[in-house]
Amino acid sequence: DTAVSQTPKYLVTQMGNDKSIKCEQNLGHDTMYWYKQDSKKFLKIMFSYNNKELIINETVPNRFSPKSPDKAHLNLHINSLELGDSAVYFCASSHAAGAFFGQGTRLTVV
Amino acid sequence: EDKVVQSPLSLVVHEGDTVTLNCSYEVTNFRSLLWYKQEKKAPTFLFMLTSSGIEKKSGRLSSILDKKELFSILNITATQTGDSAVYLCAVENSGYSTLTFGKGTMLLVSP
Repeated sequence: DTAVSQTPKYLVTQMGNDKSIKCEQNLGHDTMYWYKQDSKKFLKIMFSYNNKELIINETVPNRFSPKSPDKAHLNLHINSLELGDSAVYFCASSHAAGAFFGQGTRLTVV
Repeated sequence: EDKVVQSPLSLVVHEGDTVTLNCSYEVTNFRSLLWYKQEKKAPTFLFMLTSSGIEKKSGRLSSILDKKELFSILNITATQTGDSAVYLCAVENSGYSTLTFGKGTMLLVSP
């Protein structure tokens, strides 16, 4: 009964590689997000999609590209990974009842 | 720009104590205020508050919202070591359906 699921949970990769993180929600929510959590536990929004349309794109490098094939999925593709991209990335979805987060994906760039 | 400020940033208490965590906010189009408990990695949803003065309660946790003064508090009574976590407050903007998070309050409950 996982509500918001992200894969993979852990990702270790070398600088310069391209990687994707997938997110799926089975809650029927219209809005999905990607957040980056920094070392101080602060969650910073990166993107927000509503019904497959991009509505928020914070100051994020162009190397990060979200893709929403349908309302239930919001994937995050990262090109040319850099050391500073190492963080935990959270996917979330929301509706009137509140917001629900995935378990996070810990990305480590070496 | 929407803004959420939580205080204190960190707090150490003994088991059995009662704690109050604060959250003040500025948001252009307020929809709701949410509290999360973050353990390990993923925040766990605690409460969603939309109306002033109505207390939400779940076990030893309770929360209330003041939309006039733009703040909320989260109370935890009879704290236990399992309550140790970062507590996040977030406000939802109805215009963009986005969440703006505060930096969190790190609570440590010592035995």
